Amino acid sequence: TQLLEQSPQFLSIQEGENLTVYCNSSSVFSSLQWYRQEPGEGPVLLVTVVTGGEVKKLKRLTFQFGDARKDSSLHITAAQPGDTGLYLCAGSYNTDKLIFGTGTRLQVFP
Amino acid sequence: NAGVTQTPKFQVLKTGQSMTLQCAQDMNHNSMYWYRQDPGMGLRLIYYSASEGTTDKGEVPNGYNVSRLNKREFSLRLESAAPSQTSVYFCASSFGDSREKLFFGSGTQLSVL
Repeated sequence: TQLLEQSPQFLSIQEGENLTVYCNSSSVFSSLQWYRQEPGEGPVLLVTVVTGGEVKKLKRLTFQFGDARKDSSLHITAAQPGDTGLYLCAGSYNTDKLIFGTGTRLQVFP
Repeated sequence: NAGVTQTPKFQVLKTGQSMTLQCAQDMNHNSMYWYRQDPGMGLRLIYYSASEGTTDKGEVPNGYNVSRLNKREFSLRLESAAPSQTSVYFCASSFGDSREKLFFGSGTQLSVL
């Protein structure tokens, strides 16, 4: 069974702080996606990375794909309460199905 | 543009009862999926349909059946509900396969007593 491990599981921070969330696997991804899920809603895609070493920015969010395509990170600068949610990574291992990570639940307090 | 619509939003069943979760998308997507989400386990694929008329098992298909009624609709049926099927169920769709962007419904919270 392919596993996608995310860390930390929970993160509780004050508004304005920076944070990094990690997504790791022992297998090589062909592509990796990051989703954010708010309470009572389905996940919403934030970004897809496909090239080793790739960095993508979405406002205050920076996504990095590891050089070996086995890991990824999401860095949030100056977190806002609106960033609160469950962050999920999802990897594809050269199949047509995604494997989702267990998620990082982020709470940003004003 | 409604996207992916799931019904019902909440459901409580007794062990052994049956029910069907409905899902419809209006984006002309080819692929549709059913996931379940449990605490600490992320999203796990139950069944998917790569195109109208085809369905395939995912990671956790036992106890479920699906029907791709047409290009728009993909239903999930629990024939004899068990407490282990208590979960939040999400329907999703994509134009191509799941390596493309998935669009999710807002979920069905199911409790089996």
